[in-house]
Amino acid sequence: AQSVTQPDIHITVSEGASLELRCNYSYGATPYLFWYVQSPGQGLQLLLKYFSGDTLVQGIKGFEAEFKRSQSSFNLRKPSVHWSDAAEYFCAVGATVANAGKSTFGDGTTLTVKP
Amino acid sequence: GAVVSQHPSWVICKSGTSVKIECRSLDFQATTMFWYRQFPKQSLMLMATSNEGSKATYEQGVEKDKFLINHASLTLSTLTVTSAHPEDSSFYICSASKASRINYEQYFGPGTRLTVT
Repeated sequence: AQSVTQPDIHITVSEGASLELRCNYSYGATPYLFWYVQSPGQGLQLLLKYFSGDTLVQGIKGFEAEFKRSQSSFNLRKPSVHWSDAAEYFCAVGATVANAGKSTFGDGTTLTVKP
Repeated sequence: GAVVSQHPSWVICKSGTSVKIECRSLDFQATTMFWYRQFPKQSLMLMATSNEGSKATYEQGVEKDKFLINHASLTLSTLTVTSAHPEDSSFYICSASKASRINYEQYFGPGTRLTVT
């Protein structure tokens, strides 16, 4: 069975500082990996996804993530955080081509941005 | 785009009543829709997968008689919480996948906040 671990429950960074959110997955084959952001009381917005190819993936809002098969990781990064980035971030893994929409989510990381 | 809407965005109901939540794909056909619930400060838990024209597949531990799912068309799925109780209070989120074998994404609705009093 697939699983996702987000080791950091809560991260606080200063505005303008760099950010890295960790994600580790467990899956036997090539995973389909996603990062989503959720603002309070809102649904999820897709930041970026990895299916195959280049292991460094660019997303919206200046985010990027790097797939490292050897480490089973898919960490999310942003070089300079803005106050509006404060939100909940979820990493997710989809299992198969036919059922990739049925994703398993990590527990999320809450990002707080200090002025 | 790929827009998914949910209605209502929030609802308060009395214990013992039933509540219906709609999930619509506004600009694409969704062969598959997913229903999640999310408790405060927690992750999303998949409740069921619904395919247009067929019965929903429920995750282990989800009561199918309590959470009725209907996917009558390629743009609409409904979740009915029957005989709601306070412990059913939660944030319910739907998502939809496009009718394309090469598209692996799911598009999320904005969620519905259910409070049972």
